[in-house]
Amino acid sequence: EAEVAQSPRYKITEKSQAVAFWCDPISGHATLYWYRQILGQGPELLVQFQDESVVDDSQLPKDRFSAERLKGVDSTLKIQPAELGDSAMYLCASSFRGGYTFGSGTRLTVV
Amino acid sequence: SQELEQSPQSLIVQEGKNLTINCTSSKTLYGLYWYKQKYGEGLIFLMMLQKGGEEKSHEKITAKLDEKKQQSSLHITASQPSHAGIYLCGAVDLYKYIFGTGTRLKVLA
Repeated sequence: EAEVAQSPRYKITEKSQAVAFWCDPISGHATLYWYRQILGQGPELLVQFQDESVVDDSQLPKDRFSAERLKGVDSTLKIQPAELGDSAMYLCASSFRGGYTFGSGTRLTVV
Repeated sequence: SQELEQSPQSLIVQEGKNLTINCTSSKTLYGLYWYKQKYGEGLIFLMMLQKGGEEKSHEKITAKLDEKKQQSSLHITASQPSHAGIYLCGAVDLYKYIFGTGTRLKVLA
């Protein structure tokens, strides 16, 4: 069964360091989402791509976060510099015709 | 914008008991998704409902979407410790995908 691949699964980084997450959506899924989920809360949308274009990044803290999907396939989410409050689960999802599939997520701990 | 409110926020049940989680939308739903999440892990898709009055079941979990398509319920029959986790409903609002507030379920053995 097709999956949304995310890596790494876990990441521990020191504050002020840079960190990057990778997501490979299901082949053919034009829409890709990055979510952040702080423990105990529901996921919040950070950025949405349609192919290589950003559709919505209104909740992305642009002073430190960046996201790209250069060829409209896989995507990278970067944080620089990381802060303690960035510790969370970062989820990637892709969709096609109403079907949504989530990756397993990257659990980030900033120390 | 659309909001999804879940109730209860948390639930503790004895193993073997039935339980229901509700998801209420501020607008008509055009697709309602249920997910389960184990502590600190990714989301697991449970089922999707689209039509008013639709009901789907998977193992001991049944989800329904009401006729007006503004409320969905998730019912677990004879709960087991493996059902423990966070249950999230999700829906599409225009081009955005939104989540409910979540229900934390604990099942006591």
